[in-house]
Amino acid sequence: NAGVMQNPRHLVRRRGQEARLRCSPMKGHSHVYWYRQLPEEGLKFMVYLQKENIIDESGMPKERFSAEFPKEGPSILRIQQVVRGDSAAYFCASSPGPQYEQYFGPGTRLTVT
Amino acid sequence: AQTVTQSQPEMSVQEAETVTLSCTYDTSESDYYLFWYKQPPSRQMILVIRQEAYKQQNATENRFSVNFQKAAKSFSLKISDSQLGDAAMYFCASARPNRDDKIIFGKGTRLHILP
Repeated sequence: NAGVMQNPRHLVRRRGQEARLRCSPMKGHSHVYWYRQLPEEGLKFMVYLQKENIIDESGMPKERFSAEFPKEGPSILRIQQVVRGDSAAYFCASSPGPQYEQYFGPGTRLTVT
Repeated sequence: AQTVTQSQPEMSVQEAETVTLSCTYDTSESDYYLFWYKQPPSRQMILVIRQEAYKQQNATENRFSVNFQKAAKSFSLKISDSQLGDAAMYFCASARPNRDDKIIFGKGTRLHILP
């Protein structure tokens, strides 16, 4: 049973470009969570999605960031017009439902130059 | 609001010795979970141990155990017989399973193992 997969593992973007981060949850998991880890910090919650629904986006910046989890395919975290401050590791976690353990992917390290 | 505080940015321990990492938290919930995660240089987040607040017994996983003091809102991690592979960042975290399920992390403690 493959774990949570994230790609790419490393992404370099110039300021102003768009970044798309993908997360494929574990088989049978319909709940996805995105977290951001700034250098030397703990992970911070961004958004919680269920298939085709955003359940909680209270940690998501109001502008430039969006997330989706379509009926088919991976969850996507999209960052438009990236800035240097967006440089971080972005982690995705999945679970079969609320109150179950969240399993983390290996993360995508985004570097904005 | 939930908060998790780790007051030790770095710690060192001699190989084979025991070390305790501290964590305090704040929550108004009666039902919550507490966790310790390990993040080695690979950056993969690994769940070390989990404690349900309603359970009085402290959770243990092999060489890892917690001291859960509910009234004091303290949740420390003890690592016995430290091994070189234990070197990593350790994050204390909490979640409210009946509210929003998001995990709140502390800032972490970097643990060094001295050979």
